[in-house]
Amino acid sequence: QKEVEQNSGPLSVPEGAIASLNCTYSDRVSQSFFWYRQYSGKSPELIMSIYSNGDKEDGRFTAQLNKASQYVSLLIRDSQPSDSATYLCAVQRGGGNKLTFGTGTQLKVEL
Amino acid sequence: GAVVSQHPSRVICKSGTSVKIECRSLDFQATTMFWYRQFPKQSLMLMATSNEGSKATYEQGVEKDKFLINHASLTLSTLTVTSAHPEDSSFYICSARVAGGAYTEAFFGQGTRLTVV
Repeated sequence: QKEVEQNSGPLSVPEGAIASLNCTYSDRVSQSFFWYRQYSGKSPELIMSIYSNGDKEDGRFTAQLNKASQYVSLLIRDSQPSDSATYLCAVQRGGGNKLTFGTGTQLKVEL
Repeated sequence: GAVVSQHPSRVICKSGTSVKIECRSLDFQATTMFWYRQFPKQSLMLMATSNEGSKATYEQGVEKDKFLINHASLTLSTLTVTSAHPEDSSFYICSARVAGGAYTEAFFGQGTRLTVV
């Protein structure tokens, strides 16, 4: 079982729709969770961080965390073509520890 | 977010030569920096964790004598790929974590695309 699992996609959504990206992790002691966006040929860019159960909203992005189910998700509202990228889920055991990345989900927002 | 600068962004070198990649945190101190490698259409693979003033911790399967890491200050870490071969061609990315606190985010440099010919 992979430590961090994501559906590789591609996930295709029409412009203006909500994109839902999911991630599960295996290490129950994980404390910190991150979503990164990576455009082709570029390095990852931090989108959201979440540390406690529930929802965290930032603009069009909402991160959701359920530690009991070991599940973290990212919702993108009003999806735009510029949101088309690979979204990486990353999990950290505790402060100062390394990040473990999923393989990423490719999102395509179509006109 | 915090700014991490990585240089060079792209390098082509001959097989057998060495290449140095720099990673700088521009507006914060980073006690820990991470070096990743990413092959096309694959996720980031952690190569090593670099702590300021101490030896780097390498992930299993990463040759420490081939990938030399130096973290001499709180704002600079370097990765040197020694005796590069074509199979070392990849996208190398550093990230730096803001010092202090239990929950700190990691920010990435722009990445270095290495091509060994």
